[in-house]
Amino acid sequence: DAGVIQSPRHEVTEMGQEVTLRCKPISGHDYLFWYRQTMMRGLELLIYFNNNVPIDDSGMPEDRFSAKMPNASFSTLKIQPSEPRDSAVYFCASSFTTGDTEAFFGQGTRLTVV
Amino acid sequence: DAKTTQPPSMDCAEGRAANLPCNHSTISGNEYVYWYRQIHSQGPQYIIHGLKNNETNEMASLIITEDRKSSTLILPHATLRDTAVYYCIALNSGGYQKVTFGIGTKLQVIP
Repeated sequence: DAGVIQSPRHEVTEMGQEVTLRCKPISGHDYLFWYRQTMMRGLELLIYFNNNVPIDDSGMPEDRFSAKMPNASFSTLKIQPSEPRDSAVYFCASSFTTGDTEAFFGQGTRLTVV
Repeated sequence: DAKTTQPPSMDCAEGRAANLPCNHSTISGNEYVYWYRQIHSQGPQYIIHGLKNNETNEMASLIITEDRKSSTLILPHATLRDTAVYYCIALNSGGYQKVTFGIGTKLQVIP
């Protein structure tokens, strides 16, 4: 398996535009996580899914953010409209259900909103 | 999940053992101790985890105190490539796995 795949790796967009980040988890993994990382706030959990169902979205900063997982092999994180303060690195991770296992992270998407 | 506390930064000489402490005094009986690290600009990487017993793999050793209130990650022979932020996490063995990260320890390996 190629690991968790995120796209794009880099995204530069203008304020007010819609941004969609994409993630392909490792095949067979039940959990998918979206994180945001900034210098000020560190690595924050935004939302996670179990078997394609959102379980906890309490970390989503506001209504401008939404995440979907239409099937076991694909998830999106959308920001609409984007703002400069959304500039960050966004990571996707996946893992198996059982507790005695680790999460695997993608390489991240560096988002810059100008 | 139990809260963990780590020193914000540490230095280690190249070739020496790096010992990274973590305090998890409120850990419950079914919570594992996990360690991840994040090398600059990359996604976090799993290192090791344990429940009660000490663990060792090709990357590191994990020493958990008998009362499970603290643990130490040991990198036996630190290299410059081990410079990274190291995160200690307490995670339930069952139910939903909400993997959250604290600030971690910035380890600087010095030549």
